[in-house]
Amino acid sequence: QQQVKQSPQSLIVQKGGISIINCAYENTAFDYFPWYQQFPGKGPALLIAIRPDVSEKKEGRFTISFNKSAKQFSLHIMDSQPGDSATYFCAARRSSGDKLTFGTGTRLAVRP
Amino acid sequence: EPEVTQTPSHQVTQMGQEVILRCVPISNHLYFYWYRQILGQKVEFLVSFYNNEISEKSEIFDDQFSVERPDGSNFTLKIRSTKLEDSAMYFCASSRQVHEQYFGPGTRLTVT
Repeated sequence: QQQVKQSPQSLIVQKGGISIINCAYENTAFDYFPWYQQFPGKGPALLIAIRPDVSEKKEGRFTISFNKSAKQFSLHIMDSQPGDSATYFCAARRSSGDKLTFGTGTRLAVRP
Repeated sequence: EPEVTQTPSHQVTQMGQEVILRCVPISNHLYFYWYRQILGQKVEFLVSFYNNEISEKSEIFDDQFSVERPDGSNFTLKIRSTKLEDSAMYFCASSRQVHEQYFGPGTRLTVT
């Protein structure tokens, strides 16, 4: 019940296209959902985050959509660029805890 | 922009040896964390630390592991007797409040 399931495992998108990564969770105690971007050899970098009281959050080309009833959330990258090529992790945190539970990651490749 | 820093970037040690991984969190942050990432796998929580004590730990964080904040700036992870399966990237993170955790670049630990 502590797991966060992420799909797809890998994704190839043409430059200018939309990248969509999905995550699902079971634990209704999760109340904070961040997305992290990781380049090879680097640490995860916080990209954008959402709380369940809103259904969407947008920052620049990055949008999180959140469906509380379905216990799903997704990351949309608009106008994808080759520089967006990285591994993306969704995560979740319980209201009563500190730890982030990470998804398994999505390796995104944006072709020029 | 303030960053979490970690040293060393790569540590090679023999099985059974003790290692200390060091982190300097962002200066006004109050919460500190260690995570690890085995090659190609997801990021896993180890421990969180607040107000000079462990606030949460995972089942991975057994008696071989310990954390310490020896002074006002450093945060360390000690592994007393390393095993082959401890080989991983170890990430330190910090946050001002419980959410929005910022990760360091990691220390690659190789146990031979």
